[in-house]
Amino acid sequence: QSVLTQPPSVSGAPGQRVTISCTGSSSNIGAGYDVHWYQQLPGTAPKLLIYGNSNRPSGVPDRFSGSKSGTSASLAITGLQAEDEADYYCQSYDSSLSGSGFGTGTKVTVL
Amino acid sequence: EVQLVQSGAEVKKPGESLKISCKGSGYSFTSYWIGWVRQMPGKGLEWMGIIYPGDSDTRYSPSFQGQVTISADKSISTAYLQWSSLKASDTAMYYCARQGGIQLWLSYWGQGTLVTVSS
Repeated sequence: QSVLTQPPSVSGAPGQRVTISCTGSSSNIGAGYDVHWYQQLPGTAPKLLIYGNSNRPSGVPDRFSGSKSGTSASLAITGLQAEDEADYYCQSYDSSLSGSGFGTGTKVTVL
Repeated sequence: EVQLVQSGAEVKKPGESLKISCKGSGYSFTSYWIGWVRQMPGKGLEWMGIIYPGDSDTRYSPSFQGQVTISADKSISTAYLQWSSLKASDTAMYYCARQGGIQLWLSYWGQGTLVTVSS
């Protein structure tokens, strides 16, 4: 039972822009806690993609961007590429859990 | 280079005990939290809990409290996840990851340990 809700899937053609929403509540995103995003390629461990709502670790292309507003956050991928086909998860601290919670996950398909 | 190397895949029977490990290197092991994450077959990520090896302060997700034990041995830079009595529903991939703080992100991940519980 995830505390953060994401759409199960999104898709787009190469070069297009897609966005993934992450909807929380007053005990996590709405309480001001930061949102982080992970990319999980098939058969591999998750990789940090965005931290602190909108910051990219070294090596992450600037095609990936994050934002947060109210009780939600979003991950945008511009200039979609075949290699972006993966599962994406958001994460935030939740005061009702006294710990972290992950989103339900979104599968991105490149058409 | 920061690395987290996990122990190998395990096949166990229901009721058996198990302890898997996560060895950190390339950084000060006692200065960062280590989190554990479960991924059941075909499912999403679940945050299980976290430990600060510096003083063994440990927090659990309510879903996993009492089901598993998280520990660490700072002398050998290794964190552990253990079960006293496995169930078939514990079959999953388990990841450890370095977490800067309870409210922060998981910056470096281990390769994962696949645990299969079957009679």
